[in-house]
Amino acid sequence: DTGVSQDPRHKITKRGQNVTFRCDPISEHNRLYWYRQTLGQGPEFLTYFQNEAQLEKSRLLSDRFSAERPKGSFSTLEIQRTEQGDSAMYLCASSFGQDNEKLFFGSGTQLSVL
Amino acid sequence: DAKTTQPPSMDCAEGRAANLPCNHSTISGNEYVYWYRQIHSQGPQYIIHGLKNNETNEMASLIITEDRKSSTLILPHATLRDTAVYYCIVRVALGVDKLTFGKGITLSVRP
Repeated sequence: DTGVSQDPRHKITKRGQNVTFRCDPISEHNRLYWYRQTLGQGPEFLTYFQNEAQLEKSRLLSDRFSAERPKGSFSTLEIQRTEQGDSAMYLCASSFGQDNEKLFFGSGTQLSVL
Repeated sequence: DAKTTQPPSMDCAEGRAANLPCNHSTISGNEYVYWYRQIHSQGPQYIIHGLKNNETNEMASLIITEDRKSSTLILPHATLRDTAVYYCIVRVALGVDKLTFGKGITLSVRP
């Protein structure tokens, strides 16, 4: 399977714990996006990378959230001191970054904060 | 905020055409109309996009009105596997313009 891969698929944690998610984009895709989706809503943009550079962050991305993409390949999204409101599906997408780009999404990581 | 409005849900019979409407009355001249869909427990999947001409690919057809204020996604022969949430999105095609999703329209295909 050469699609976007996300790990883990599910994560249950207790409030106050730190969690980290990983995204492996499609090989050679230079753009990588993180989105968050809650039940009944469409995905909300969090941040995106062009190669290893993080070029835009949503105001939804509080100081407790940090994303990295070392060497422009895989990416990690860390949430520190999780809160119940962080419970959501975290989606990763990648693209070639050309005009009229098509985003390819992974299946997401479902986070439940108890 | 999403720049499109879609009805919350619709259904159609298997094998029939599904016509999904979308209003985007404030669309700018340099914005394209994109459609993605999201099947339960999966990430969104690109379907099609267009500027002003009608477009067709192996998945669907996109009909954009002449004034570009609305469009229709057509699934010519809906199957049960087409049951999903369909998102209509307008975005600038040049450079980087992140996808802004609304709530989409839930299509239910009935046997």
